[in-house]
Amino acid sequence: AQKITQTQPGMFVQEKEAVTLDCTYDTSDPSYGLFWYKQPSSGEMIFLIYQGSYDQQNATEGRYSLNFQKARKSANLVISASQLGDSAMYFCAMGNYGQNFVFGPGTRLSVLP
Amino acid sequence: DAGITQSPRYKITETGRQVTLMCHQTWSHSYMFWYRQDLGHGLRLIYYSAAADITDKGEVPDGYVVSRSKTENFPLTLESATRSQTSVYFCASSGQLNTGELFFGEGSRLTVL
Repeated sequence: AQKITQTQPGMFVQEKEAVTLDCTYDTSDPSYGLFWYKQPSSGEMIFLIYQGSYDQQNATEGRYSLNFQKARKSANLVISASQLGDSAMYFCAMGNYGQNFVFGPGTRLSVLP
Repeated sequence: DAGITQSPRYKITETGRQVTLMCHQTWSHSYMFWYRQDLGHGLRLIYYSAAADITDKGEVPDGYVVSRSKTENFPLTLESATRSQTSVYFCASSGQLNTGELFFGEGSRLTVL
C-alpha cells in the first residue's frame, strides 16, 4: 500500500535561513512521482515541486529543492533563504501510475523574523 | 475560464439532509479526486476516478457517493449528512498520476449542524 510519512508536525526557522522538511514514502511500484504542496492560511493548495522515480537528478524550483534518496525512500523538501511568506502547511504527496494520489499529514512551518 | 471549480464554496446544512458538492474541470483530465481536510488529519482521500464511469473508494468513503457520467464533472453526495462530515472538501484532477501534478479546486467548506 502507498503511504507518506511526515514526522515533523511543526517546524520553526529564522528568516533567511534554510530549512529541511522530512518526507518518507512507501510503495512497491517502480514508477511513481513525488510532490510537495504548500497550503497557506488562505487555504489553497499550491504545487511546489515534482520528482519522478526515475529522475537521476534532484529537482529544483527556485528556492525549493527536493533531496531524493530512492534507496531510503525519502523525498525531503529544502527551502533556502526562508521568507516570512513561506509560513504555511507543507504536504508531501505521491502519485502512482494506475492507482491514486496520497498525502502525508503535513508539516506546519513558521518563519520567524 | 479554464481550470477546476467547486461549488458551493460554503454550505451549512442540517443532520440527515442530502448535500451534493460539485466539481468541474476544463482540462479533460482523466483522474479526479475528492479529499476532505480536517485538523490533525491532513488530506484524506474519499473517492477517486480514473475515467468516466470508473470510480473507486479511497481511505474514508463511508457516507459518501460519487458519480462520473462525464469526464469533466465529479460530484460528491452526502446522502444523509452527519456532524462528523463537517470539513473542508477539496476536488482535484490530474492527467497522469506519476508524472503530473494534482490541480486543486478552491475547496468547499461544509458545516453540518
